[in-house]
Amino acid sequence: QSALTQPASVSGSPGQSITISCTGTSSDVGGYNYVSWYQQHPGKAPKLLIYDVTYRPSGVSSRFSGSKSGNTASLTISGLQAEDETDYYCSSYTRTSTFLFGSGTTVTVL
Amino acid sequence: QVQLVESGGGVVQPGTSLRLSCAASGFSFRSYAMHWVRQAPGKGLEWVAVISIDEKREHYADSVQGRFAIFRDNSKNTLYLQMNNLRPDDTAVYYCAKEGDHTAWSSFDYWGQGTLVTVSS
Repeated sequence: QSALTQPASVSGSPGQSITISCTGTSSDVGGYNYVSWYQQHPGKAPKLLIYDVTYRPSGVSSRFSGSKSGNTASLTISGLQAEDETDYYCSSYTRTSTFLFGSGTTVTVL
Repeated sequence: QVQLVESGGGVVQPGTSLRLSCAASGFSFRSYAMHWVRQAPGKGLEWVAVISIDEKREHYADSVQGRFAIFRDNSKNTLYLQMNNLRPDDTAVYYCAKEGDHTAWSSFDYWGQGTLVTVSS
């Protein structure tokens, strides 16, 4: 059970858009539309941003959006803001009825 | 509002056992699968275990299979994690998390604040 692959860091200027990738296999990301994304500030519990690849929970900013192509899912943050600077994780259900998280991506706002 | 409050963490020696609890409120606990997720200091999130609403299905990460057991008491709205034969690499903050509302077994929509387990001699 290896972690899903995410870039260690992504950066962008305020107002720009950035995309974080999450690569797995056909046994997880590619096999199910059960990819979710989480934002985690230091010392805090993770917060659900996106579920089922593309859906936003109530209260989550529309600046966050999700997509998937093959074995790779993506989180896009539009109109980057200073408050977006923190860690992001993807997660996927797997064919063995377990779950995997991504390795995590730190977003830096330049 | 949904609240998940973990307890039971602490400092223990390798090879010993510990039981974590997660008290749930603000939702129909018996209607949702529940998870444990951990995070080692300075590291990423690692999914640990899930239990179905009726306790008939349990699944574990390979790293804890055979050593950890997840169970729940729906009459007490409480989730548990029994951790046996603890190892130093089990040191982490342990979070309980609620299954997402919209699709079963797909995401984790509420999390507790976490409880720290430190395994050290």
